[in-house]
Amino acid sequence: GAVVSQHPSWVICKSGTSVKIECRSLDFQATTMFWYRQFPKQSLMLMATSNEGSKATYEQGVEKDKFLINHASLTLSTLTVTSAHPEDSSFYICSARRGSYNSPLHFGNGTRLTVT
Amino acid sequence: AQTVTQSQPEMSVQEAETVTLSCTYDTSESDYYLFWYKQPPSRQMILVIRQEAYKQQNATENRFSVNFQKAAKSFSLKISDSQLGDAAMYFCAYNAGGSEKLVFGKGTKLTVNP
Repeated sequence: GAVVSQHPSWVICKSGTSVKIECRSLDFQATTMFWYRQFPKQSLMLMATSNEGSKATYEQGVEKDKFLINHASLTLSTLTVTSAHPEDSSFYICSARRGSYNSPLHFGNGTRLTVT
Repeated sequence: AQTVTQSQPEMSVQEAETVTLSCTYDTSESDYYLFWYKQPPSRQMILVIRQEAYKQQNATENRFSVNFQKAAKSFSLKISDSQLGDAAMYFCAYNAGGSEKLVFGKGTKLTVNP
C-alpha cells in the first residue's frame, strides 16, 4: 500500500531557530501534498497545499513567510518553520494522495515540534 | 464553505458491543466523498472507511459500516464487535468532488472498556 514517511518524528528547538520537516511518498509520486497542524485534543487544520514545481497554496491565516513549503520533487515536500517561537509548538502532519482527487489521503506519522 | 460536525466529543463502549459515531456535514455540492479516519495514541491517521456520495449503498469494511443519509447530510460510523484496539480519536472528513482539500470534523474520542 501507499506509504508516506515523515521525518523527524519529534524535534525540540530553541526560540529563534528554524526547523525543517520532510514528507516523502515512498512508493508513489505525489504532485500534491498537504500540511496540517494539530493542537492537543483538536482536529487537523489544513495549513497549505504543496504543489510540485510551483508555489504552495496557503490557507487563510497561515503566514507564508513563517511556514516555508518546498515541493522540489514528486516524492518530497518540506515544511520549514522559520524563527520558531513557543506558540509554534504543535503536531504537524503531512499527507499525500495516490491518484486522483477522489483517492483517499495517506498520512505521514507526524512530527511533534517543541520550541523552548 | 463546507463544514463537518461531530456532535459527540467522547463516546465509550464495552468490548464486543456496538457503537455508532455521528457526523453531519453541510455542502451545496452534489459530487463529494466522505471518510472516517482513526487516530490512535500513536497519532498516525488511518483510513477506516470511504463513501462516494453518488453511491446509495452504504460502505462496509469488516466490522465498520456507515449509515449514509444524503438528504439529511448525515454520515454515521458503526463499529460492531468493538475491540480494545478500536480505542482512538475518530475523525469524519469531507472532500468535494474535484477538490483536493479534505475538511475534518473535530473528532470523537472512543474509549473501549474491557
